[in-house]
Amino acid sequence: GAGVSQSPRYKVAKRGQDVALRCDPISGHVSLFWYQQALGQGPEFLTYFQNEAQLDKSGLPSDRFFAERPEGSVSTLKIQRTQQEDSAVYLCASSRTSGLIYNEQFFGPGTRLTVL
Amino acid sequence: AQRVTQPEKLLSVFKGAPVELKCNYSYSGSPELFWYVQYSRQRLQLLLRHISRESIKGFTADLNKGETSFHLKKPFAQEEDSAMYYCALKVRTSGSRLTFGEGTQLTVNP
Repeated sequence: GAGVSQSPRYKVAKRGQDVALRCDPISGHVSLFWYQQALGQGPEFLTYFQNEAQLDKSGLPSDRFFAERPEGSVSTLKIQRTQQEDSAVYLCASSRTSGLIYNEQFFGPGTRLTVL
Repeated sequence: AQRVTQPEKLLSVFKGAPVELKCNYSYSGSPELFWYVQYSRQRLQLLLRHISRESIKGFTADLNKGETSFHLKKPFAQEEDSAMYYCALKVRTSGSRLTFGEGTQLTVNP
């Protein structure tokens, strides 16, 4: 079946612009994660949803970052007033369930954001 | 807070040679450890997890709680093993979020 998809795959923004990154998880997956991966670094956790509820947003670096998943499926990560330090690959992952028992997280291809 | 360290950013071996990718973690409790792999132009995918105690593509990893390590090993490297490898950790108190190391780029030369 189809895996996690993300759009756009590449985004170039001028500093100060707002951007919106979309994630389509695997159908039926309850949990959805966003990670930020800077050049030469491993992915870093941003936020996590269980269905439409955002249960953890402790990794969001500033209040310019906002994520939503209103119907418990597609999620959007929005970055307001982008800065050069926001340049990174943004990864989305989904898994069947969540909680104490780990279920494999399936990753999307990522969106590469470049802020000029 | 938990942390994962992969001391080698780059690792180069010849085909048929043994390979070991190092991973150390800092966490006082009982974490779950994973290895993720990203082949060229492909997405990040799970390679193996310590709970499964299985060998995937000839790779194994043993959790050593005394040394807080989870090194990835393969006795005979193949060219198709060339990829970026990430060690990751999950702790119960942080839900299902993963904490990743910085990754090791493995190159297997012919």
